[in-house]
Amino acid sequence: GQQLNQSPQSMFIQEGEDVSMNCTSSSIFNTWLWYKQDPGEGPVLLIALYKAGELTSNGRLTAQFGITRKDSFLNISASIPSDVGIYFCAGQLPTSGSRLTFGEGTQLTVNP
Amino acid sequence: DAGVIQSPRHEVTEMGQEVTLRCKPISGHNSLFWYRQTMMRGLELLIYFNNNVPIDDSGMPEDRFSAKMPNASFSTLKIQPSEPRDSAVYFCASSLSGMETQYFGPGTRLLVL
Repeated sequence: GQQLNQSPQSMFIQEGEDVSMNCTSSSIFNTWLWYKQDPGEGPVLLIALYKAGELTSNGRLTAQFGITRKDSFLNISASIPSDVGIYFCAGQLPTSGSRLTFGEGTQLTVNP
Repeated sequence: DAGVIQSPRHEVTEMGQEVTLRCKPISGHNSLFWYRQTMMRGLELLIYFNNNVPIDDSGMPEDRFSAKMPNASFSTLKIQPSEPRDSAVYFCASSLSGMETQYFGPGTRLLVL
């Protein structure tokens, strides 16, 4: 099946540092979504991207829909301890209807 | 506003027993998704409904799994008989048809002994 390659798998950073993670695929996507999952909870939508080249911010978070439509990145600026969690990218293929393809996740640890 | 509601939050059962997981989507949403999450396989889509009709059940692992959506505000995922390898976190998500932003519930943590 279709795959999203999400990297890095894990990150260990100091509070205040900026973070960048990305997802790539060999397939073109119509929509890119970024979710965060806290321990014991469901994924929570952070940012949704609908057009190639789109750059969207949500507070300290910024995400972009790649020009080729095959990739997306998420940046977190000035990280804080509550940023800890697993971040997932998800994409919607043109032929997949409402089905989303999820990346494997990036585990973020922020040291105070 | 209430988000997606799932029950129970935790379920421990013995192999061979029937398990029923329940989901109430966000009011007004007409697409509903059931996912399973494990360390080994990540998030897997099991089945999704649009306007209460199953659209894609290709992710349902086998005949022991069944899902229903009798109305717009309620869905069930049933496992009968359950097996230890079914232990996972099961999520329900909902969206407005045509909008790809899915909103997840808190999940049901299932442990089959």
